[in-house]
Amino acid sequence: QVQLQESGPGLVKPSETLSLTCTVSGGSISGYYWSWIRQPPGKGLEWIAYIHDNEKKKKRKSLKSRVTISVETSKNQFSLKLSSVTAADTAVYYCVRQPSDTAAFDIWGQGTMITVSS
Amino acid sequence: QSALTQPASVSGSPGQSITISCTGTSGDVGGYNYVSWYQQHPGKAPKLLIYGVTNRPSGVSNRFSGSKSGNTASLTISGLHTEDEADYYCSSYTSYSTYVVFGGGTKLTVL
Repeated sequence: QVQLQESGPGLVKPSETLSLTCTVSGGSISGYYWSWIRQPPGKGLEWIAYIHDNEKKKKRKSLKSRVTISVETSKNQFSLKLSSVTAADTAVYYCVRQPSDTAAFDIWGQGTMITVSS
Repeated sequence: QSALTQPASVSGSPGQSITISCTGTSGDVGGYNYVSWYQQHPGKAPKLLIYGVTNRPSGVSNRFSGSKSGNTASLTISGLHTEDEADYYCSSYTSYSTYVVFGGGTKLTVL
């Protein structure tokens, strides 16, 4: 079955760029939509961005200027970069699969905790 | 844009049924049949329970069901089990700038 695994630094300094990668195993990355969703400690879920076959991308408007999303099909991976991070970006970051562009997320990674602190 | 509105908590006894509401606007819940529900146990990733308002993914118990009326969607859990104790989130596609909006979450306690 398809599994997703996030990898990231754990700790990022304020004003730096956060880089996350999601590795998809057990299935192809092609043909699906792939999102990043985050959850600050003790709070709810916030969608960040998606990418589809390296052709279609959509980003949360409030984060658009700081977000870069990309896919590397040959490695079955997709990535997120979030620039100029602040403490408000501290959260668990999930990579997630969407079967289609209907905002339903059917397979989730286990999540990776990212703390922004000096 | 504001999150969808869910009750902060609900509770029930084993075997009972409970319903969690999720209220939005005509720009999200009321305007599209793209409401989803997720279950999240502490320290775990969310799990998709319902998509497209009423559809259950393969492997999800038929004790979970979804519905919608106007701008309010609902998740009903019948025959409560102790393992149903978790946080539940609704979400909807939205015509606003955020693409998808989530509810604030509902903590279900099974007494």
